[in-house]
Amino acid sequence: DQQVKQNSPSLSVQEGRISILNCDYTNSMFDYFLWYKKYPAEGPTFLISISSIKDKNEDGRFTVFLNKSAKHLSLHIVPSQPGDSAVYFCAARGETSYDKVIFGPGTSLSVIP
Amino acid sequence: NAGVTQTPKFQVLKTGQSMTLQCAQDMNHNSMYWYRQDPGMGLRLIYYSASEGTTDKGEVPNGYNVSRLNKREFSLRLESAAPSQTSVYFCASKGGVRQFFGPGTRLTVL
Repeated sequence: DQQVKQNSPSLSVQEGRISILNCDYTNSMFDYFLWYKKYPAEGPTFLISISSIKDKNEDGRFTVFLNKSAKHLSLHIVPSQPGDSAVYFCAARGETSYDKVIFGPGTSLSVIP
Repeated sequence: NAGVTQTPKFQVLKTGQSMTLQCAQDMNHNSMYWYRQDPGMGLRLIYYSASEGTTDKGEVPNGYNVSRLNKREFSLRLESAAPSQTSVYFCASKGGVRQFFGPGTRLTVL
């Protein structure tokens, strides 16, 4: 059973608009959440993270929101750019160890010029 | 500073053959990981190593073995490859909370 879920396999957004990628988790013991971005034929790269003691973290065009009571987080990209087209993975840390990191299935974002 | 390197980049095996995927990092990280990526499944954790000399099972360890040779190197071995192990394999190391990934190994088992 997946502990980290991304229920939208794909998303298309017009350039300049907001992209919202969602992630749900089942384990309340997760203490840190991360987003990674992946281009084809490359390894994932870190994008942004949030601790479970916060509800928002912002870095430039990227903002992550955490709703612990709903076990839900979202990544907002504003404004979206064609170079943002990639697969985005949500990840969670801390089930039994700070070293065990579990990923969701990913959402493929297409930003249309 | 190469980050995380993986060899080989591509490999084709026949069912039952064995092989070892190599991974090395030059960032002096304690934690290292092996993931596999399959369509619709995302990145699934095979094994991880919190420090030199320790390894732990992830979500999908069956059919794999690992060795943490030293702080830099973490290898993944398939003793008897099966078609279900056709996948892209990523190695990663962790500094702080973020992981750094290698470029991946695309493995096909016929």
